[in-house]
Amino acid sequence: GNSVTQMEGPVTLSEEAFLTINCTYTATGYPSLFWYVQYPGEGLQLLLKATKADDKGSNKGFEATYRKETTSFHLEKGSVQVSDSAVYFCALSGMNSGYSTLTFGKGTMLLVSP
Amino acid sequence: DTEVTQTPKHLVMGMTNKKSLKCEQHMGHRAMYWYKQKAKKPPELMFVYSYEKLSINESVPSRFSPECPNSSLLNLHLHALQPEDSALYLCASSQDRGEGMKPQHFGDGTRLSIL
Repeated sequence: GNSVTQMEGPVTLSEEAFLTINCTYTATGYPSLFWYVQYPGEGLQLLLKATKADDKGSNKGFEATYRKETTSFHLEKGSVQVSDSAVYFCALSGMNSGYSTLTFGKGTMLLVSP
Repeated sequence: DTEVTQTPKHLVMGMTNKKSLKCEQHMGHRAMYWYKQKAKKPPELMFVYSYEKLSINESVPSRFSPECPNSSLLNLHLHALQPEDSALYLCASSQDRGEGMKPQHFGDGTRLSIL
């Protein structure tokens, strides 16, 4: 079956530091890959996506590249802000009984201090 | 602002109560989802509706009863819940069934507490 593995958190950084959150996946076929962010007390927001190998998703300074050869989709940001503190979920889409569903990683909490 | 609206934001109910959670989207999406999320965990899929028909039920107990009255609305009827059902309930929608490249859009959820 499909699975997503994310690095354990929390990840604690100072403002303006470089961020990497690792994500690897196991899937059949050619899934689409997503990063979602969940701020405290809120639902999940789509951060970025990639639909095929070598695609790079980007949004709000965050980037991730769909690497088929290493089955990875690592999230990066060059300079984090306090407002980036949140939980980040890596996810892939797969087919379940003929319908597209998401498989999530366990989530990585990011804490950014001033 | 999210494009998927969930009400109420918070709900406290006793184990004998009956209540409903509501979800609405006006993006023309034809697939809608209910998820349950416990603290510090990822969302767990409960139900999938596609074109107003229940397509997936992930072995959810019958005390949770979903309903899709039309393409914009999704309800989750609750009855005789247990304390372990306390969680954040998230609704999501996506453009079409089978379109794996189309992302799901989530609401802010209903935080449910069972006394």
